[in-house]
Amino acid sequence: GQQLNQSPQSMFIQEGEDVSMNCTSSSIFNTWLWYKQDPGEGPVLLIALYKAGELTSNGRLTAQFGITRKDSFLNISASIPSDVGIYFCAGQLRAGSYQLTFGKGTKLSVIP
Amino acid sequence: GAGVSQSPSNKVTEKGKDVELRCDPISGHTALYWYRQSLGQGLEFLIYFQGNSAPDKSGLPSDRFSAERTGGSVSTLTIQRTQQEDSAVYLCASSLGYRGNLFFGEGSRLTVL
Repeated sequence: GQQLNQSPQSMFIQEGEDVSMNCTSSSIFNTWLWYKQDPGEGPVLLIALYKAGELTSNGRLTAQFGITRKDSFLNISASIPSDVGIYFCAGQLRAGSYQLTFGKGTKLSVIP
Repeated sequence: GAGVSQSPSNKVTEKGKDVELRCDPISGHTALYWYRQSLGQGLEFLIYFQGNSAPDKSGLPSDRFSAERTGGSVSTLTIQRTQQEDSAVYLCASSLGYRGNLFFGEGSRLTVL
């Protein structure tokens, strides 16, 4: 199936630092989404992007849908301990398609 | 209920036994998905159901895996003759439309000894 390459695989940062992670693919995606998974829980949607070039913020989180439609990034500003978790990018290949392809995740650890 | 409910939360079984995992989606959500998450891996798509349409089974890894959704609501994922490589967390999600906003359950952790 289609693959999303997510990087970095893991990050250790100091509380208060900014974080950046990204996702790339060789295929064009119609929709890009970012989810966060806390331990023992299912992933929760953070940000959804539906147009190439779109830049969307949700509190301290900002995500962009790349112009080429083959990539997306997620930034977290002024990290706090509760930002710890695994962040997944996900994409929909076709408009109206219900199937989501997920990246392998970025595990974020925040050092107080 | 308020969210997606999955049961059992944990299942330990012996190799070769069959298992059934249940998912109760959010009321009114037309789409239901099953994903598998192995240790340190991303979410692997298994199958989704959308309304009365034929399910998309393209992600099922072998014919030992099957799923059904009764009455457009509850779904059961069945794994026959379980193997050790089937050990993973099986996540169910539901959504109202196709915009990608999936609501996930907490998952069923399957361990095959």
